[in-house]
Amino acid sequence: EADIYQTPRYLVIGTGKKITLECSQTMGHDKMYWYQQDPGMELHLIHYSYGVNSTEKGDLSSESTVSRIRTEHFPLTLESARPSHTSQYLCASSESRGQGVGYTFGSGTRLTVV
Amino acid sequence: AQTVTQSQPEMSVQEAETVTLSCTYDTSESNYYLFWYKQPPSRQMILVIRQEAYKQQNATENRFSVNFQKAAKSFSLKISDSQLGDTAMYFCAFIVNYGQNFVFGPGTRLSVLP
Repeated sequence: EADIYQTPRYLVIGTGKKITLECSQTMGHDKMYWYQQDPGMELHLIHYSYGVNSTEKGDLSSESTVSRIRTEHFPLTLESARPSHTSQYLCASSESRGQGVGYTFGSGTRLTVV
Repeated sequence: AQTVTQSQPEMSVQEAETVTLSCTYDTSESNYYLFWYKQPPSRQMILVIRQEAYKQQNATENRFSVNFQKAAKSFSLKISDSQLGDTAMYFCAFIVNYGQNFVFGPGTRLSVLP
């Protein structure tokens, strides 16, 4: 059973709309991440956070923004959606103690901008 | 730069047969962790197996085992007695000790044929 939850699971939205993708985890993990997964399935890190009030941009430039006001919540916002934002977005979290435990992933949000 | 290469974009195997997925990586660090993740179609990405680089013994998890060759920077995944449920994208990843974020490979799409 997943301990990290993403909503919505699927979203179709018109160009220019503002959207927020939700991600919540119940494991108390300090580190959280957003990945964009392209049609070829490759993963690109777009945002990450090491704790409350900590956010950083990832390797892939993204027009989205994130916030981390609570440990368990890491929403991603697009102020004005465009067709180029169509993709799958994966949220993940990990513990701070050591890197050996790996990531826990959410089920993803598949976004289509028309 | 730290990179992960998976040279097989797609593979197929007959049910009950054995298949090996290749992964090579590049890092100048000596302490790191290696992972294989599985992403079934339209489902959550889950951890299959992990390996600590300072351990010479290859990790095994039921039907999944790895062949870790540190000098060659190779980390292949062997799936024995393949099952239809093994059909998925498989991602190789690593993170250096005290590193910031994971480095993922581009993935290998595995199809298990009945």
